[in-house]
Amino acid sequence: AQSVTQPDIHITVSEGASLELRCNYSYGATPYLFWYVQSPGQGLQLLLKYFSGDTLVQGIKGFEAEFKRSQSSFNLRKPSVHWSDAAEYFCAVGARGNKLVFGAGTILRVKS
Amino acid sequence: AAGVIQSPRHLIKEKRETATLKCYPIPRHDTVYWYQQGPGQDPQFLISFYEKMQSDKGSIPDRFSAQQFSDYHSELNMSSLELGDSALYFCASSPQGSSYEQYFGPGTRLTVT
Repeated sequence: AQSVTQPDIHITVSEGASLELRCNYSYGATPYLFWYVQSPGQGLQLLLKYFSGDTLVQGIKGFEAEFKRSQSSFNLRKPSVHWSDAAEYFCAVGARGNKLVFGAGTILRVKS
Repeated sequence: AAGVIQSPRHLIKEKRETATLKCYPIPRHDTVYWYQQGPGQDPQFLISFYEKMQSDKGSIPDRFSAQQFSDYHSELNMSSLELGDSALYFCASSPQGSSYEQYFGPGTRLTVT
């Protein structure tokens, strides 16, 4: 069965520092991969997606992610974090039946 | 741009009561998904509909039912509510031919007391 692992429950970075959130997936074929962001009490906003093609994917808000098949990873990166980026980030894989299977999430804290 | 609309945004019910959550997908999106997110948990898939037919079913209790109507809006009906049903319920919709590209609504926060 498809699964997603986000090994970091919490991450704290300083404002202006770079960010990398880790995501590993388990899927037999070429996966459809997503990153969503959720602010407290809010819905899930799609940051970026990977379906095929270029393995470096650009998203909104200055985020990017790189698909690495050899490592079964889809890590999210941002070169310079802003205080408004503090939120919870979910990695997801498209599973059979078109549903999304989410990781447990990573809570990002930004310190000034 | 139009987004997924969910109503109500907040709902408080007592145990054993019923609740109905509504979802209005983005225009021209023909597929609707329901997810449940418990406190501190990741969203879990409940059920989905494509062209008004159930297309997939996840960990949805038998006490819950859902349907999609001719205008593509969907309703999630929950009966005999339990304390453990307290959660954030998300609806997502996806456009024709791109079912994995799901756009989420703001969610309905259900509190069962």
